[in-house]
Amino acid sequence: GQQVMQIPQYQHVQEGEDFTTYCNSSTTLSNIQWYKQRPGGHPVFLIQLVKSGEVKKQKRLTFQFGEAKKNSSLHITATQTTDVGTYFCAGHISNFGNEKLTFGTGTRLTIIP
Amino acid sequence: SQTIHQWPATLVQPVGSPLSLECTVEGTSNPNLYWYRQAAGRGLQLLFYSVGIGQISSEVPQNLSASRPQDRQFILSSKKLLLSDSGFYLCAWSPASEAFFGQGTRLTVV
Repeated sequence: GQQVMQIPQYQHVQEGEDFTTYCNSSTTLSNIQWYKQRPGGHPVFLIQLVKSGEVKKQKRLTFQFGEAKKNSSLHITATQTTDVGTYFCAGHISNFGNEKLTFGTGTRLTIIP
Repeated sequence: SQTIHQWPATLVQPVGSPLSLECTVEGTSNPNLYWYRQAAGRGLQLLFYSVGIGQISSEVPQNLSASRPQDRQFILSSKKLLLSDSGFYLCAWSPASEAFFGQGTRLTVV
């Protein structure tokens, strides 16, 4: 079936180190979204990428959408303790004329102070 | 502005008991609505999504069902809960592309 996978599943980094999570879809996506879920909370929308090869930045976060619109990455520079959480990518996958929002498997980031 | 309400926040239910979780959206019309389940430390599993009243798509065969009796109301139900139904249930709505989540219901089946 149609899947959106993320690697790694877990990442432990020292505070100040960089972090990257990768997202791969088995099908072409019309857009890619990224969400952050803090421990015990619900996912919160971060950003959406639409164009092939698009790159967007939010302070220390850099988001990329692949040329084939089947993969994406989120890179955090110089992690801080506030970055702790699980990061999900999500994409709309066509299903008999409807587009359902399918989430990736997530990458859980923990920071070692 | 649009808001999404989901209740209850936590729920402990015995095996074999029924379930009803309700989600309502305010400030919008004809939203796409979703139910997701998240097992402890795991990803988001899409259970049901709806593009309109009475229109429900089921993603995973299971003993859960969903209904959309009104445009801005989405209900998740079960006639008999299983231990494996424990998890964090999240309702979400999507006006166009991005999704906005409710606070979630943490269900423990004992």
